[in-house]
Amino acid sequence: GAVVSQHPSWVICKSGTSVKIECRSLDFQATTMFWYRQFPKQSLMLMATSNEGSKATYEQGVEKDKFLINHASLTLSTLTVTSAHPEDSSFYICSATPDEKLFFGSGTQLSVL
Amino acid sequence: GESVGLHLPTLSVQEGDNSIINCAYSNSASDYFIWYKQESGKGPQFIIDIRSNMDKRQGQRVTVLLNKTVKHLSLQIAATQPGDSAVYFCAENMPPRNAGKSTFGDGTTLTVKP
Repeated sequence: GAVVSQHPSWVICKSGTSVKIECRSLDFQATTMFWYRQFPKQSLMLMATSNEGSKATYEQGVEKDKFLINHASLTLSTLTVTSAHPEDSSFYICSATPDEKLFFGSGTQLSVL
Repeated sequence: GESVGLHLPTLSVQEGDNSIINCAYSNSASDYFIWYKQESGKGPQFIIDIRSNMDKRQGQRVTVLLNKTVKHLSLQIAATQPGDSAVYFCAENMPPRNAGKSTFGDGTTLTVKP
């Protein structure tokens, strides 16, 4: 199957700092990538759809200025959590698809102190 | 609103037994369904999918059954192994097909006892 790589796997940061998470499609081009947030023992919540060469589409209730998304190439999308606070601590997952089924990155555990 | 839900949040089975994980969906317009497996601390992995024009699809040790009459989806795992312990999510897609807009169920945690 297709491979989606996500880095870093975990990050600890101080409150007020920004954190960047990268998502790469390794063996296919992805004009669209997706970012999810997942709390412990809960399902995936779609945050936004990243579109190559254009603005991301955010789901209702997701702050655009808090979660900056850039999709500069057909294989890379980045999610930047700006001015992170403890309530932003969560598991963030990206995905992309060469067809209809999603292939997910390994996730990034963000802990904001 | 429309939702995909799972009947049971947890399932515990003995190693070697068969497992059945259920999922109910409410949107009759959904035409593509996917099962994902998520191990602790990792991203979900695709297991198997089925389109609405099929009732059953088999993979390696896994079978997905679709009952459109009652809007029910199930995942059967044969000869369950410890490595099958994970959270299983069902997801439904509606046309126009856009995988990113999959609606995920809450997930069933499968625990395999040795």
